[in-house]
Amino acid sequence: GDSVTQMEGPVTLSEEAFLTINCTYTATGYPSLFWYVQYPGEGLQLLLKATKADDKGSNKGFEATYRKETTSFHLEKGSVQVSDSAVYFCALSMEYGNKLVFGAGTILRVKS
Amino acid sequence: DTAVSQTPKYLVTQMGNDKSIKCEQNLGHDTMYWYKQDSKKFLKIMFSYNNKELIINETVPNRFSPKSPDKAHLNLHINSLELGDSAVYFCASSRGTGQYFGAGTRLSVL
Repeated sequence: GDSVTQMEGPVTLSEEAFLTINCTYTATGYPSLFWYVQYPGEGLQLLLKATKADDKGSNKGFEATYRKETTSFHLEKGSVQVSDSAVYFCALSMEYGNKLVFGAGTILRVKS
Repeated sequence: DTAVSQTPKYLVTQMGNDKSIKCEQNLGHDTMYWYKQDSKKFLKIMFSYNNKELIINETVPNRFSPKSPDKAHLNLHINSLELGDSAVYFCASSRGTGQYFGAGTRLSVL
């Protein structure tokens, strides 16, 4: 079945460091890809998305590019802040309005 | 205004009880979902409704029964609660790509 694999955390960085969280997927077709963020005690927020190969999603300084050849959607940010500390989930969806299949989540901790 | 709202936020109950969680969205979306997040933060789809019709039921025990009185509401009723039902339950809605989530309901079964 369809699946998403994320790098294990926690990832601990100092403020202003560069962030990469790896995400790869397995799917029978061409999924839409998403990054969601969950701040402590809150629900999930859509961070960015890409719906086809070579699309780049971006939001709040975060970016991810849909790479069909490597089936990847790695999340990057050039300079993290303490307020970016959260759990980040990579996810895919195969059809319009269909379920999200999530990765296991990666905890990010940013120290000042 | 909250786009996807769930009540209650916390629910503590005894094994064997029956409980409900309510979800409402004011985004005008056609599709609503229930997800379960376990203690390791893993998220898994439970149900999906489109215009009040069930379209996804992911091998969830039949003690769990979703009900959609209209396309803005999707409630979750759980019978005979078990210890393993303890989790955070998230409601979500969508129209196109990307889903919008509620703040979650933390269910603790004692």
